[in-house]
Amino acid sequence: TQLLEQSPQFLSIQEGENLTVYCNSSSVFSSLQWYRQEPGEGPVLLVTVVTGGEVKKLKRLTFQFGDARKDSSLHITAAQPGDTGLYLCAGAGVPDSWGKLQFGAGTQVVVTP
Amino acid sequence: SAVISQKPSRDICQRGTSLTIQCQVDSQVTMMFWYRQQPGQSLTLIATANQGSEATYESGFVIDKFPISRPNLTFSTLTVSNMSPEDSSIYLCSAEGPGGPYEQYFGPGTRLTVT
Repeated sequence: TQLLEQSPQFLSIQEGENLTVYCNSSSVFSSLQWYRQEPGEGPVLLVTVVTGGEVKKLKRLTFQFGDARKDSSLHITAAQPGDTGLYLCAGAGVPDSWGKLQFGAGTQVVVTP
Repeated sequence: SAVISQKPSRDICQRGTSLTIQCQVDSQVTMMFWYRQQPGQSLTLIATANQGSEATYESGFVIDKFPISRPNLTFSTLTVSNMSPEDSSIYLCSAEGPGGPYEQYFGPGTRLTVT
């Protein structure tokens, strides 16, 4: 089993501050996804990273895949209350287990006005 | 992106009974998945459901307890059988997105409480 460890487990910040969430593993992943989940809803896909060293930006969110494809980070600039939610990383293993995603434990982010 | 609906959204059931959860996708997809999630915690894959074949179950989950149907390319059901309080959880279905099976779209979940 390829384990994904997320840190921190919980993050509470003020509006306008920056934050970073980490996702680490000892195993290599062929791709890694980040999802955000709000209470009472299913996870929503934010981004997929595939190439080692890849950096993707989605408005105020920056995602990075480690060079060795074992870790990833999500950085939010100038957080807003709408960024509140459970952030989950999920990895697709190597060799590929077709469609099977290994989810991290999640980071609960709370942004207060 | 695919729109996925689930029914029921929540239910309270008695020990020993069974509940069938329905998952509808607004487009045809080959791969659908069923997950279990404790509130605020991570997702655990129960099984993969492909149309035209038997569901593939993950370690710790068996067909007798969680029978799955996949009658067509837009629909699947998960039954939680002979329920106990330990089955209380959120059950989520997902479907592969246009980017492939790793980019999954999720339904809103079914919150199950077993008393």
